[in-house]
Amino acid sequence: NAGVMQNPRHLVRRRGQEARLRCSPMKGHSHVYWYRQLPEEGLKFMVYLQKENIIDESGMPKERFSAEFPKEGPSILRIQQVVRGDSAAYFCASSPPHVVNSPLHFGNGTRLTVT
Amino acid sequence: AQTVTQSQPEMSVQEAETVTLSCTYDTSESDYYLFWYKQPPSRQMILVIRQEAYKQQNATENRFSVNFQKAAKSFSLKISDSQLGDAAMYFCAIYGNKLVFGAGTILRVKS
Repeated sequence: NAGVMQNPRHLVRRRGQEARLRCSPMKGHSHVYWYRQLPEEGLKFMVYLQKENIIDESGMPKERFSAEFPKEGPSILRIQQVVRGDSAAYFCASSPPHVVNSPLHFGNGTRLTVT
Repeated sequence: AQTVTQSQPEMSVQEAETVTLSCTYDTSESDYYLFWYKQPPSRQMILVIRQEAYKQQNATENRFSVNFQKAAKSFSLKISDSQLGDAAMYFCAIYGNKLVFGAGTILRVKS
């Protein structure tokens, strides 16, 4: 059973470009979470999605950031017009519908570098 | 709202010794879960141990155990017989309506 798959592992973008980060949850998991980790810091919650629904986006910047989890395919975190401050590791985690029975399973993250 | 505070940015322990990492939290949820995650240099997030808040008994996983003090909102992690492979960043986290992490504690293990 493959774990949470994130790609790419590393992504380099120039300022003003768009970054698209992908996350395929574990099989049977319908909940996806995105977190951002700045260097030397903890993971900050960004957004929580279920299939075709955004449940909680309280941690997502209001501008330039968006996330989706379509009925088919991976979850996508999209950052438009990237700036240097967007450079961070972005982690995706997934869980089955009842997280009380299962902890979040994390992917290995995507390290975004904005030059 | 949920918050997690880890007051120790960095800790050191001698191999084979015991170390305790501190964590306090706050939440308005009546039902919640607490976790410790380990992040080695590979950046992978590894679940170490979890505690259901409604359970009074402290969770244990081999060399890892917690001291859960619900009234004090404290959730410390004890690592016994420390090994070199335990060196990592450790994050305390709470799940009420979403998983919220503390800032982390770097654990260094000396041989």
